[in-house]
Amino acid sequence: EIVLTQSPGTLSLSPGERATLSCRASQSVSSSYLAWYQQKPGQAPRLLIYGASSRATGIPDRFSGSGSGTDFTLTISRLEPEDFAVYYCQQYGSPFTFGPGTKVDIK
Amino acid sequence: QLQLQESGPGLVKPSETLSLTCTVSGGSISSSSYYWGWIRQPPGKGLEWIGSIYYSGSTYYNPSLKSRVTISVDTSKNQFSLKLSSVTAADTAVYYCARSREAFDIWGQGTMVTVSS
Repeated sequence: EIVLTQSPGTLSLSPGERATLSCRASQSVSSSYLAWYQQKPGQAPRLLIYGASSRATGIPDRFSGSGSGTDFTLTISRLEPEDFAVYYCQQYGSPFTFGPGTKVDIK
Repeated sequence: QLQLQESGPGLVKPSETLSLTCTVSGGSISSSSYYWGWIRQPPGKGLEWIGSIYYSGSTYYNPSLKSRVTISVDTSKNQFSLKLSSVTAADTAVYYCARSREAFDIWGQGTMVTVSS
């Protein structure tokens, strides 16, 4: 099983700032089967990025994903008020696993 | 557009079997492009994949839960279901159903299940 580690645990930023979130895998993620989700309190997760760098339908272009192998990054270029949330990475090899999450909160 | 809705008891006794159903509307569960999965989230914690099923009935499960999980599909009702046996308090969580082709792109709203006597 591939274990995902996310850092930092919490990121405190102001609106308009750039957010850089890291996801590291315990072994190489095949075919860049890596996704990022956003979750707000009381809501289901929302898919942001799949295939490490492809934006899901309707996701603003301020969200971008990069990386391959064992190191992946989610970047939010300029934080909007609605972007403060918890972000999870997930690898969808078999079995699927999720990272523990990074909380982006308002500084 | 496609929507998923979980349903089932919100309270289950320890040692009993948790049973949930996900109803798919606005599209067919028999689409050849998609798998259908269950994911759970204990209160205040992260996400855990439980298992997934294809419309043909082929399944794959999280190895850590495999001995207790059964996922089935009913294409005539456009539904798929989860059974988790021998539950304990550690199975208390919000349970989500979701669609995947690669990642999980459409999710239900989730249903809270508490395991307690």
